[in-house]
Amino acid sequence: TQLLEQSPQFLSIQEGENLTVYCNSSSVFSSLQWYRQEPGEGPVLLVTVVTGGEVKKLKRLTFQFGDARKDSSLHITAAQPGDTGLYLCAGGRLYTGNQFYFGTGTSLTVIP
Amino acid sequence: DTGVSQDPRHKITKRGQNVTFRCDPISEHNRLYWYRQTLGQGPEFLTYFQNEAQLEKSRLLSDRFSAERPKGSFSTLEIQRTEQGDSAMYLCASSLGGRVTDTQYFGPGTRLTVL
Repeated sequence: TQLLEQSPQFLSIQEGENLTVYCNSSSVFSSLQWYRQEPGEGPVLLVTVVTGGEVKKLKRLTFQFGDARKDSSLHITAAQPGDTGLYLCAGGRLYTGNQFYFGTGTSLTVIP
Repeated sequence: DTGVSQDPRHKITKRGQNVTFRCDPISEHNRLYWYRQTLGQGPEFLTYFQNEAQLEKSRLLSDRFSAERPKGSFSTLEIQRTEQGDSAMYLCASSLGGRVTDTQYFGPGTRLTVL
């Protein structure tokens, strides 16, 4: 059982469209990280958010941590084919030995 | 430094055989993590080390699994008497410290196929 549920599980959109990926849990996290993973490779960190309500922007990507630190969202503006990949959220919980709990993943395909 | 490396990248074995994977973390990182990832899912935590000490193990890590980090540098993950359900990508990650805000750097993974 994974603590973090992501939606949607699969997303296929046209180049130039906007999209939002959600990461939800009933548990509180000390931090929330977003990764992107290419086939056959390990996840690569995109961003870490630690404060409830925090918003971070990385070019066309906007990340938000929920006020209660139980959920997060990733919004991509004007998606490009290079954005294609598996997007993973991961929550860190200090009081469980600094484990990171990964979400179920969102597979994004951007069609040129 | 070239990041976290894992060896082998792919392993095909027959059910019942033992396999061992190696992970070389970024040199100054004292935390090392092992995860298992099945197709289309997020990684699941298996265990982690602080230097040479194995501090936590997931319930996913059955008695057939053992991990070591003898000198606080590289780590090995051994699976004994492999089963078809062990087929997965095994990922290693390292971080400089143990704070939840510390970045984990992942290796490319070892893809295990048990026939």
